[in-house]
Amino acid sequence: GEDVEQSLFLSVREGDSSVINCTYTDSSSTYLYWYKQEPGAGLQLLTYIFSNMDMKQDQRLTVLLNKKDKHLSLRIADTQTGDSAIYFCVQGGNKLTFGTGTQLKVEL
Amino acid sequence: GAGVSQSPSNKVTEKGKDVELRCDPISGHTALYWYRQRLGQGLEFLIYFQGNSAPDKSGLPSDRFSAERTGESVSTLTIQRTQQEDSAVYLCASSRPPLAETQYFGPGTRLLVL
Repeated sequence: GEDVEQSLFLSVREGDSSVINCTYTDSSSTYLYWYKQEPGAGLQLLTYIFSNMDMKQDQRLTVLLNKKDKHLSLRIADTQTGDSAIYFCVQGGNKLTFGTGTQLKVEL
Repeated sequence: GAGVSQSPSNKVTEKGKDVELRCDPISGHTALYWYRQRLGQGLEFLIYFQGNSAPDKSGLPSDRFSAERTGESVSTLTIQRTQQEDSAVYLCASSRPPLAETQYFGPGTRLLVL
């Protein structure tokens, strides 16, 4: 079945880079996404990558896609305390399949 | 409106009662989705509407769950004879094909079944 796996926790120091990794199963997904969820706030689409791309860069965010290994990663450069949130790796089209989320904690 | 809105924001109900959750999508968004998020978990897909038809209901957990949509507007998710395991945050999202890759989420309805 369709499944998305990611580690549950990541702790980094302010100013360092964060890398959140994910593996997915649905090779037919046209897009892969990263969503961000902050406490008390709704889900926010952070970025997405088209399945025929290897990399997408958007300011401090870099998404890498290894389609052969079905591996997706999100790199946040110069991580700030405001980046503390849960990050969901998501596959799918109309029917999105979410991973369990990685809780990113940024320490001073 | 500016974003997807949902009501109520919180709902506490007794086991066995019926509840109705409402979603107002972004104006012009023809696609609407319902998801459920249990505590500490990712989102589970429930149902997807294109217009007022539901091509994919595969995520509805049981026949106690139903949803309908009026045209390309408001949707209601109804849970009959609620059970404690229905306690979760119910999230609605909308998108506008052909840009369906971008689903915009509402703030959710937090349901607690006692």
